[in-house]
Amino acid sequence: AQTVTQSQPEMSVQEAETVTLSCTYDTSESDYYLFWYKQPPSRQMILVIRQEAYKQQNATENRFSVNFQKAAKSFSLKISDSQLGDAAMYFCAYRTYGGATNKLIFGTGTLLAVQP
Amino acid sequence: DAGVTQSPTHLIKTRGQQVTLRCSPKSGHDTVSWYQQALGQGPQFIFQYYEEEERQRGNFPDRFSGHQFPNYSSELNVNALLLGDSALYLCASTMTGINYGYTFGSGTRLTVV
Repeated sequence: AQTVTQSQPEMSVQEAETVTLSCTYDTSESDYYLFWYKQPPSRQMILVIRQEAYKQQNATENRFSVNFQKAAKSFSLKISDSQLGDAAMYFCAYRTYGGATNKLIFGTGTLLAVQP
Repeated sequence: DAGVTQSPTHLIKTRGQQVTLRCSPKSGHDTVSWYQQALGQGPQFIFQYYEEEERQRGNFPDRFSGHQFPNYSSELNVNALLLGDSALYLCASTMTGINYGYTFGSGTRLTVV
Protein backbone atom coordinates (compact mmCIF):
# COMPACT_ATOMS: atom_id res chain seq x y z
CA ALA A 1 0.00 0.00 0.00
CA GLN A 2 1.11 3.51 -0.71
CA THR A 3 1.96 5.88 2.14
CA VAL A 4 2.76 9.58 2.35
CA THR A 5 4.85 11.07 5.14
CA GLN A 6 5.24 14.71 6.11
CA SER A 7 7.79 14.96 8.89
CA GLN A 8 7.38 18.67 9.65
CA PRO A 9 4.21 19.27 11.68
CA GLU A 10 4.84 23.03 11.75
CA MET A 11 7.01 25.49 9.86
CA SER A 12 7.48 29.23 10.06
CA VAL A 13 8.80 31.72 7.51
CA GLN A 14 9.28 35.47 7.35
CA GLU A 15 7.29 37.37 4.78
CA ALA A 16 9.18 37.60 1.44
CA GLU A 17 11.49 34.73 2.41
CA THR A 18 11.63 31.20 0.98
CA VAL A 19 10.48 28.05 2.74
CA THR A 20 10.62 24.37 1.78
CA LEU A 21 8.11 21.79 2.96
CA SER A 22 9.15 18.14 2.88
CA CYS A 23 7.25 15.06 1.75
CA THR A 24 8.29 11.48 1.23
CA TYR A 25 6.20 8.63 -0.08
CA ASP A 26 6.34 4.92 -0.53
CA THR A 27 5.04 3.03 -3.54
CA SER A 28 5.91 0.13 -5.78
CA GLU A 29 4.27 1.75 -8.78
CA SER A 30 6.24 3.49 -11.51
CA ASP A 31 3.54 5.86 -12.72
CA TYR A 32 1.60 8.11 -10.38
CA TYR A 33 0.71 11.70 -9.56
CA LEU A 34 1.86 13.80 -6.65
CA PHE A 35 0.10 16.89 -5.38
CA TRP A 36 0.46 19.66 -2.88
CA TYR A 37 -2.81 20.97 -1.48
CA LYS A 38 -3.33 24.05 0.68
CA GLN A 39 -6.05 24.12 3.33
CA PRO A 40 -6.66 27.59 4.82
CA PRO A 41 -8.99 28.20 7.77
CA SER A 42 -11.87 28.24 5.28
CA ARG A 43 -11.28 24.44 5.18
CA GLN A 44 -11.47 24.12 1.39
CA MET A 45 -8.64 22.02 -0.02
CA ILE A 46 -7.00 24.03 -2.80
CA LEU A 47 -4.64 22.48 -5.34
CA VAL A 48 -1.28 24.24 -5.30
CA ILE A 49 0.77 22.17 -7.71
CA ARG A 50 0.90 18.71 -9.27
CA GLN A 51 3.62 16.50 -10.69
CA GLU A 52 3.34 13.53 -13.01
CA ALA A 53 5.92 10.91 -12.05
CA TYR A 54 6.86 10.22 -15.67
CA LYS A 55 7.95 13.84 -16.14
CA GLN A 56 11.53 14.54 -15.15
CA GLN A 57 11.04 18.30 -15.14
CA ASN A 58 9.98 19.74 -11.81
CA ALA A 59 6.60 21.47 -11.85
CA THR A 60 6.40 25.22 -11.24
CA GLU A 61 3.39 27.45 -10.61
CA ASN A 62 4.35 31.08 -10.07
CA ARG A 63 5.97 31.28 -6.60
CA PHE A 64 5.50 27.56 -5.98
CA SER A 65 7.87 24.90 -7.25
CA VAL A 66 8.66 21.31 -6.40
CA ASN A 67 11.80 19.25 -6.10
CA PHE A 68 10.78 15.79 -7.30
CA GLN A 69 13.33 13.06 -6.64
CA LYS A 70 11.75 9.86 -7.95
CA ALA A 71 14.49 7.47 -6.90
CA ALA A 72 14.50 8.89 -3.38
CA LYS A 73 10.66 9.07 -3.35
CA SER A 74 10.82 12.66 -2.23
CA PHE A 75 8.55 15.52 -3.25
CA SER A 76 9.26 18.85 -1.53
CA LEU A 77 7.44 22.13 -2.05
CA LYS A 78 9.31 25.43 -2.23
CA ILE A 79 7.43 28.65 -1.66
CA SER A 80 9.34 31.74 -2.78
CA ASP A 81 8.61 35.32 -1.73
CA SER A 82 6.25 34.09 0.99
CA GLN A 83 3.10 36.12 1.54
CA LEU A 84 0.78 36.39 4.52
CA GLY A 85 -1.90 34.63 2.47
CA ASP A 86 0.31 31.57 2.19
CA ALA A 87 -0.32 30.76 5.85
CA ALA A 88 -2.28 27.50 5.89
CA MET A 89 -2.07 23.75 6.34
CA TYR A 90 -0.25 22.10 3.45
CA PHE A 91 -0.87 18.49 2.49
CA CYS A 92 1.16 16.28 0.22
CA ALA A 93 -0.92 13.70 -1.66
CA TYR A 94 -0.38 10.70 -3.92
CA ARG A 95 -2.60 9.24 -6.61
CA THR A 96 -2.19 6.21 -8.82
CA TYR A 97 -1.80 7.05 -12.49
CA GLY A 98 -4.62 6.35 -14.90
CA GLY A 99 -8.33 7.05 -14.57
CA ALA A 100 -10.22 9.35 -12.29
CA THR A 101 -11.36 6.65 -9.93
CA ASN A 102 -8.30 6.33 -7.78
CA LYS A 103 -8.26 7.84 -4.35
CA LEU A 104 -5.93 10.49 -3.05
CA ILE A 105 -3.63 9.40 -0.22
CA PHE A 106 -2.71 12.33 2.01
CA GLY A 107 0.08 12.97 4.46
CA THR A 108 -0.61 14.39 7.92
CA GLY A 109 0.09 17.94 6.85
CA THR A 110 2.44 20.81 7.68
CA LEU A 111 1.10 23.96 9.30
CA LEU A 112 2.85 26.96 7.76
CA ALA A 113 2.95 30.26 9.61
CA VAL A 114 4.07 33.42 7.82
CA GLN A 115 5.52 36.14 10.06
CA PRO A 116 5.16 39.79 8.97
CA ASP B 1 -19.31 28.83 -11.94
CA ALA B 2 -20.09 27.29 -8.57
CA GLY B 3 -17.55 24.89 -7.22
CA VAL B 4 -18.36 21.99 -4.94
CA THR B 5 -21.14 22.81 -2.49
CA GLN B 6 -21.59 20.94 0.77
CA SER B 7 -24.37 21.15 3.33
CA PRO B 8 -24.72 21.67 6.17
CA THR B 9 -21.51 23.46 7.18
CA HIS B 10 -21.76 22.38 10.80
CA LEU B 11 -23.72 19.66 12.56
CA ILE B 12 -24.00 18.37 16.11
CA LYS B 13 -25.41 14.89 16.69
CA THR B 14 -25.77 12.53 19.64
CA ARG B 15 -24.15 9.12 19.82
CA GLY B 16 -26.28 6.45 18.18
CA GLN B 17 -28.02 8.86 15.85
CA GLN B 18 -27.86 8.87 12.08
CA VAL B 19 -26.66 11.72 9.88
CA THR B 20 -26.86 12.63 6.19
CA LEU B 21 -24.39 14.98 4.55
CA ARG B 22 -24.91 16.41 1.08
CA CYS B 23 -22.65 17.39 -1.80
CA SER B 24 -23.27 19.08 -5.13
CA PRO B 25 -20.34 18.63 -7.51
CA LYS B 26 -18.78 21.27 -9.66
CA SER B 27 -20.63 21.88 -12.91
CA GLY B 28 -19.51 19.34 -15.52
CA HIS B 29 -18.14 16.88 -12.98
CA ASP B 30 -19.68 13.40 -12.75
CA THR B 31 -17.62 11.66 -10.07
CA VAL B 32 -17.85 12.36 -6.35
CA SER B 33 -15.51 11.20 -3.59
CA TRP B 34 -15.90 11.57 0.16
CA TYR B 35 -13.10 12.02 2.69
CA GLN B 36 -13.02 12.10 6.48
CA GLN B 37 -10.53 14.49 8.07
CA ALA B 38 -10.05 14.06 11.81
CA LEU B 39 -8.63 16.99 13.75
CA GLY B 40 -4.94 17.43 13.02
CA GLN B 41 -4.90 14.67 10.40
CA GLY B 42 -4.91 14.39 6.64
CA PRO B 43 -8.11 13.40 4.84
CA GLN B 44 -8.89 9.70 4.64
CA PHE B 45 -10.75 8.29 1.61
CA ILE B 46 -14.22 6.91 2.41
CA PHE B 47 -15.65 6.05 -1.02
CA GLN B 48 -16.24 7.26 -4.56
CA TYR B 49 -19.39 7.35 -6.67
CA TYR B 50 -19.79 7.35 -10.43
CA GLU B 51 -22.93 6.67 -12.47
CA GLU B 52 -24.86 6.27 -9.23
CA GLU B 53 -22.71 3.35 -8.08
CA GLU B 54 -19.99 3.01 -5.47
CA ARG B 55 -16.85 2.45 -7.48
CA GLN B 56 -14.16 2.37 -4.81
CA ARG B 57 -14.19 2.20 -1.04
CA GLY B 58 -11.69 2.92 1.68
CA ASN B 59 -11.29 1.21 5.03
CA PHE B 60 -14.53 2.37 6.64
CA PRO B 61 -17.26 0.24 8.24
CA ASP B 62 -20.63 -0.41 6.69
CA ARG B 63 -22.11 2.27 8.95
CA PHE B 64 -20.83 4.62 6.27
CA SER B 65 -22.93 4.49 3.13
CA GLY B 66 -23.61 6.78 0.23
CA HIS B 67 -25.69 7.54 -2.74
CA GLN B 68 -25.33 9.41 -5.99
CA PHE B 69 -28.30 10.90 -7.80
CA PRO B 70 -28.88 11.27 -11.57
CA ASN B 71 -27.80 14.93 -11.35
CA TYR B 72 -24.44 13.70 -9.91
CA SER B 73 -25.06 15.11 -6.45
CA SER B 74 -24.25 12.79 -3.59
CA GLU B 75 -25.10 11.98 0.01
CA LEU B 76 -23.01 10.47 2.76
CA ASN B 77 -24.92 8.63 5.47
CA VAL B 78 -23.48 7.53 8.78
CA ASN B 79 -25.52 5.29 11.08
CA ALA B 80 -25.08 4.57 14.78
CA LEU B 81 -22.78 7.54 15.28
CA LEU B 82 -19.75 7.14 17.53
CA LEU B 83 -17.74 9.86 19.24
CA GLY B 84 -14.88 8.93 16.89
CA ASP B 85 -16.95 9.92 13.88
CA SER B 86 -16.45 13.57 14.83
CA ALA B 87 -14.51 15.06 11.95
CA LEU B 88 -14.56 17.31 8.92
CA TYR B 89 -16.17 15.51 5.99
CA LEU B 90 -14.92 16.68 2.61
CA CYS B 91 -16.48 16.08 -0.77
CA ALA B 92 -14.38 16.19 -3.94
CA SER B 93 -15.60 16.05 -7.50
CA THR B 94 -13.97 15.40 -10.84
CA MET B 95 -14.78 14.49 -14.41
CA THR B 96 -14.15 10.92 -15.51
CA GLY B 97 -11.11 10.76 -17.76
CA ILE B 98 -9.49 13.82 -16.19
CA ASN B 99 -6.62 12.43 -14.20
CA TYR B 100 -5.99 15.22 -11.76
CA GLY B 101 -8.91 17.63 -11.71
CA TYR B 102 -10.21 17.19 -8.18
CA THR B 103 -12.19 20.09 -6.75
CA PHE B 104 -12.95 20.06 -3.04
CA GLY B 105 -15.78 21.60 -1.09
CA SER B 106 -15.37 23.39 2.23
CA GLY B 107 -16.64 20.41 4.15
CA THR B 108 -19.17 19.61 6.86
CA ARG B 109 -17.91 19.76 10.43
CA LEU B 110 -19.65 16.92 12.32
CA THR B 111 -19.50 16.83 16.10
CA VAL B 112 -20.84 13.77 17.91
CA VAL B 113 -21.62 14.28 21.61
